[in-house]
Amino acid sequence: GESVGLHLPTLSVQEGDNSIINCAYSNSASDYFIWYKQESGKGPQFIIDIRSNMDKRQGQRVTVLLNKTVKHLSLQIAATQPGDSAVYFCAENILTGGGNKLTFGTGTQLKVEL
Amino acid sequence: GAGVSQSPSNKVTEKGKDVELRCDPISGHTALYWYRQSLGQGLEFLIYFQGNSAPDKSGLPSDRFSAERTGGSVSTLTIQRTQQEDSAVYLCASSLRQGDQPQHFGDGTRLSIL
Repeated sequence: GESVGLHLPTLSVQEGDNSIINCAYSNSASDYFIWYKQESGKGPQFIIDIRSNMDKRQGQRVTVLLNKTVKHLSLQIAATQPGDSAVYFCAENILTGGGNKLTFGTGTQLKVEL
Repeated sequence: GAGVSQSPSNKVTEKGKDVELRCDPISGHTALYWYRQSLGQGLEFLIYFQGNSAPDKSGLPSDRFSAERTGGSVSTLTIQRTQQEDSAVYLCASSLRQGDQPQHFGDGTRLSIL
């Protein structure tokens, strides 16, 4: 899961296994959540999103689960591949100054072992 | 353009110098966002623009930081009298309109202050 601090949590999985990355968010009023993947030297890349009126959403090989009761978000990656190795961030949408901004977690490093 | 473009990709400068970072959003995107990412950390929101207007500047770390956007397109983030703690990756994102999701990110400018 994610935590505040200088050292990224790391999840190591075998190629072909399923991965589950967890995230706790802070604002119960957040209406939208998003997962990004960031490879070294690159900007965050959108993976999947979910609105607060849903509890599950599926994409290609990825599923996001939202539990508003405990303010918990998870990203499941099926049949993890070496190309999935990256840092994964969850973010929540928060209203600010008449607009909105994304507040990001610290991130989880996913390492896929061959 | 096809994606968000940022320049320079890397910038090394001496403490006390001013730097200017540039962001070219996706064509037609009216909302533009700046974030900062320190080593091993998540993304920290700095400022957003809707058109040429920045309604919320509260995320800027100090008065040495400023940003502008002209013509509803290119934005520049300026850091005056740089300090070593300003070293980070500065990321820009854009979306069709403020509040639209997801935000699409550029690959960032890696700023190193000596």
